[in-house]
Amino acid sequence: AQSVTQLGSHVSVSEGALVLLRCNYSSSVPPYLFWYVQYPNQGLQLLLKYTTGATLVKGINGFEAEFKKSETSFHLTKPSAHMSDAAEYFCAVRPLGGGYQKVTFGTGTKLQVIP
Amino acid sequence: DTAVSQTPKYLVTQMGNDKSIKCEQNLGHDTMYWYKQDSKKFLKIMFSYNNKELIINETVPNRFSPKSPDKAHLNLHINSLELGDSAVYFCASSQAGGIYEQYFGPGTRLTVT
Repeated sequence: AQSVTQLGSHVSVSEGALVLLRCNYSSSVPPYLFWYVQYPNQGLQLLLKYTTGATLVKGINGFEAEFKKSETSFHLTKPSAHMSDAAEYFCAVRPLGGGYQKVTFGTGTKLQVIP
Repeated sequence: DTAVSQTPKYLVTQMGNDKSIKCEQNLGHDTMYWYKQDSKKFLKIMFSYNNKELIINETVPNRFSPKSPDKAHLNLHINSLELGDSAVYFCASSQAGGIYEQYFGPGTRLTVT
C-alpha cells in the first residue's frame, strides 16, 4: 500500500525566511503526488500536484515542490515566508493506474511564521 | 457560488443520538468523498462515491451510512453517536479517476457529549 511520511509535525520559520516542508513516499513506482493547505477552520485546498513531466512543480502563493525519484521525496518550498502562510500542510499520494485509486494523506505539518 | 458546501457547520449532540450531515457540490464532479479529521489533524478517508455508486468503504463502523441521491449530493448519517465520533468531517469532490485534485467543503465539527 502507498504511504506518505511528513517529517516534522511543526515547523517554525521567521517571516521572510525559506520554507521547507518535507514529504517522502513509499512506493517502488512513483505515484501521483499532491500538496494541500488547510487554513484554520477551513477545508483543504490544492497547492500543487505532480503527475508526469517536469519534476519541479509550481503552485499557488509562490510555493513549489520538486519530485526526486532517487530520494522518493516531494518537498515543498517557498523562498520567503509570509504571515499568511501559517497553516497546516498535507502531502498526499495516489498510485498510478487507471480507474479509481485511493488518495492517502500524510499526517500534516503545521507551519508557524514568526514576525 | 460555493463549490462544495456542507450543513451544518457545527453539530453538538449527546451520545446515542442519530444525526446527519449534508454535502452538495456544484462543480459537476462525478466522485465525492467523506473524510474524518481527528483532533491531531489526521485525515482519514471514510467513503467514496462515483456517480452515486459506493466505490470506497474504509474500515468504518456500520453506524455510519452514506447516501448519494444524485451525483451532486452525498450525505452522511450516523446512528448511536459515541464520544469517539467527535471530529471534523469533510466532504470533497473531484473529477473521476483520483488523479484530479479534490475540492473540500468547509467541514462539519461534530461534538458528542
